[in-house]
Amino acid sequence: QVRLQQWGAGLLKPSETLSLTCGVYGGSISGFYWSWVRQPPDKGLEWIGEINHSGDTGYNPSLRSRVTISVDTSNNQFLLSLTSVTAADTALYYCVRVVTVSKKFDYWGQGTQVTVSS
Amino acid sequence: NFMLTQPHSVSESPGKTVTISCTRSRGSIANNYVQWYQQRPGSPPTIVIYEDNQRPSGVPDRFSGSIDSSSNSASLTISGLKTEDEADYYCQSYDSSNVVFGGGTKLTVL
Repeated sequence: QVRLQQWGAGLLKPSETLSLTCGVYGGSISGFYWSWVRQPPDKGLEWIGEINHSGDTGYNPSLRSRVTISVDTSNNQFLLSLTSVTAADTALYYCVRVVTVSKKFDYWGQGTQVTVSS
Repeated sequence: NFMLTQPHSVSESPGKTVTISCTRSRGSIANNYVQWYQQRPGSPPTIVIYEDNQRPSGVPDRFSGSIDSSSNSASLTISGLKTEDEADYYCQSYDSSNVVFGGGTKLTVL
């Protein structure tokens, strides 16, 4: 059974960089895409971007200028970096496994609450 | 870019049937698969329909999905409603460069 475990700083100041890591357990990072999705308080889901084991990436156009997603295949992990955060980036951040062909988001991490406040 | 538009909320009584729509603003709904997710408070989303109309193992056959090219929309239908179905439901699809979630529909079973 695949399990995604995520971690990273939960409280940031405006202009700082958000950094989260997602570890993949019980399965290989190869053969799938791996995404980050966020959910602001009491709002819907927003796709941030994705990466595969080869490092091929795709990003939400609205966040592309501030987002970098990278992969560490030796440790079966993938990482999210979001620069110049503001209060609008306050959200619950999820890491997710994505089936390549259908773009089915089938395994979700537990979520990490990130709050941006001065 | 395209958008997926869902009703903000729907409500129905236990035992009845409810349908949640998801309309694609640009591009054909039939060209890319649609998924549906259920999210209960305090939990990550879980998938209830994938590839337009496929049910993952463990999801009751009361849940079904369809697409309608004439209205460029997808639908999630839940029959025999139970109080445990009360949750937020999101549709999701994609194009060549983007993944999009609908805004979500709050289902109340009362």
